[in-house]
Amino acid sequence: QKEVEQDPGPLSVPEGAIVSLNCTYSNSAFQYFMWYRQYSRKGPELLMYTYSSGNKEDGRFTAQVDKSSKYISLFIRDSQPSDSATYLCAMMGYSGAGSYQLTFGKGTKLSVIP
Amino acid sequence: GAGVSQSPRYKVAKRGQDVALRCDPISGHVSLFWYQQALGQGPEFLTYFQNEAQLDKSGLPSDRFFAERPEGSVSTLKIQRTQQEDSAVYLCASSLESTSSYYNEQFFGPGTRLTVL
Repeated sequence: QKEVEQDPGPLSVPEGAIVSLNCTYSNSAFQYFMWYRQYSRKGPELLMYTYSSGNKEDGRFTAQVDKSSKYISLFIRDSQPSDSATYLCAMMGYSGAGSYQLTFGKGTKLSVIP
Repeated sequence: GAGVSQSPRYKVAKRGQDVALRCDPISGHVSLFWYQQALGQGPEFLTYFQNEAQLDKSGLPSDRFFAERPEGSVSTLKIQRTQQEDSAVYLCASSLESTSSYYNEQFFGPGTRLTVL
């Protein structure tokens, strides 16, 4: 079992829909929880990060973390065609070998249809 | 205001060839990371530099993989005797500070897509 599980999709929704993306994890030592967006042939770009359990909102995006269930979510309201991309969850924890590093999920490919 | 740049963007190698992939981090960034992203997968950590010191190479898959950052800025990832399973996108990321128990945003480059025939 991988440390971070994420359904790869693909997920296809109509424009304006609410999108729900989620990940589960097994490592209780993870401290920070991130969502990255990756367009085709580009590197990941950070959307949001959270430190503790709870909600964090930024415009149309809301990130939720439930540490007791080891479950994180990203909600996208009023989805737009420009939101079509792969969404990667990532978690930060100590590697045990000298650094704090990111562990990524597989990514969920999202298509928003006009 | 340049971001992280990587070169070449695409590399095709015959099995057994050596390749070198370059990363130019954001100027002044202390930390530099290399990741490997296989098709349909998320990035996987390879190695971490703090300035010129390679502090963590726990993710390098074999001794054919070697990374350096001799002057604490540009970094090179070298793969010797490439194999087909090395085909992937190699991503470089940099962050302003050294890694610690608090989060420092990592800024990613566009990656180098390596195809080994």
